[in-house]
Amino acid sequence: GESVGLHLPTLSVQEGDNSIINCAYSNSASDYFIWYKQESGKGPQFIIDIRSNMDKRQGQRVTVLLNKTVKHLSLQIAATQPGDSAVYFCAEKTGGSYIPTFGRGTSLIVHP
Amino acid sequence: DTAVSQTPKYLVTQMGNDKSIKCEQNLGHDTMYWYKQDSKKFLKIMFSYNNKELIINETVPNRFSPKSPDKAHLNLHINSLELGDSAVYFCASSQDQGRNQPQHFGDGTRLSIL
Repeated sequence: GESVGLHLPTLSVQEGDNSIINCAYSNSASDYFIWYKQESGKGPQFIIDIRSNMDKRQGQRVTVLLNKTVKHLSLQIAATQPGDSAVYFCAEKTGGSYIPTFGRGTSLIVHP
Repeated sequence: DTAVSQTPKYLVTQMGNDKSIKCEQNLGHDTMYWYKQDSKKFLKIMFSYNNKELIINETVPNRFSPKSPDKAHLNLHINSLELGDSAVYFCASSQDQGRNQPQHFGDGTRLSIL
C-alpha cells in the first residue's frame, strides 16, 4: 500500500550546523504535507506545513521543500540548537481523506 | 494553558484489567482523535470523532471503546487489557474535518501492562 517513509532514522549534528531531514512519500495523490516535532515525553507538535501547489515554504529557522516529481519532502533547520533535539515526523494527507499518514520518524541529535 | 490534555500521564496495570484514559481540548475544535504510538515511534490512527460522532474506526479490537460526551472530550476505555496494548496513546484535535489542517496533540498516556 501507499506509505510515507524516512531515509534516515537518526541524524547527529553539531550545534550551529544546518540540519536536513528527508521524507519520501509514495502516494502521488497526496496534496498536503506536515512536519511535526516530538520531544521526549511530549506529543507531536506542529512545525510547518505545505500544500502541493507550492514547492517551498519558510518559517522561523525552518524551511520545507517539496519535490513532487520524485515524491520527496525535506525539512531544513538552520543553525540547529540543542533544543531542536527530538524525533521529527512527516505526515501526508490525500484528497478525500483528512486523516494524515505519518512516517516512521527521524531522531535528530544535536551535540553542543 | 494546555490545549489538549490527557489523564493519566502514566498508567501501569495488570493484564485483564479495564482502564480508561481521558482527553479534553480547550481549542474549540470539532474533531478529535486517538492514536497509538508503538515502541518504534510509529503513530497509528485508532479513532476519530467529529462533533461527538464516530467517523473513523480503524482496525482496532473491540476491547477499545471511545466515548465522546461532548465535542471537547474524547475518552478511551479499554477492556481486558493485554500485553500488546502497552504503548503510548495520544489524543489529538483539529479544527474540523477539513483536509488542510494540522492536528494538535496531547502529551500522551504511557500504558504499561504487567
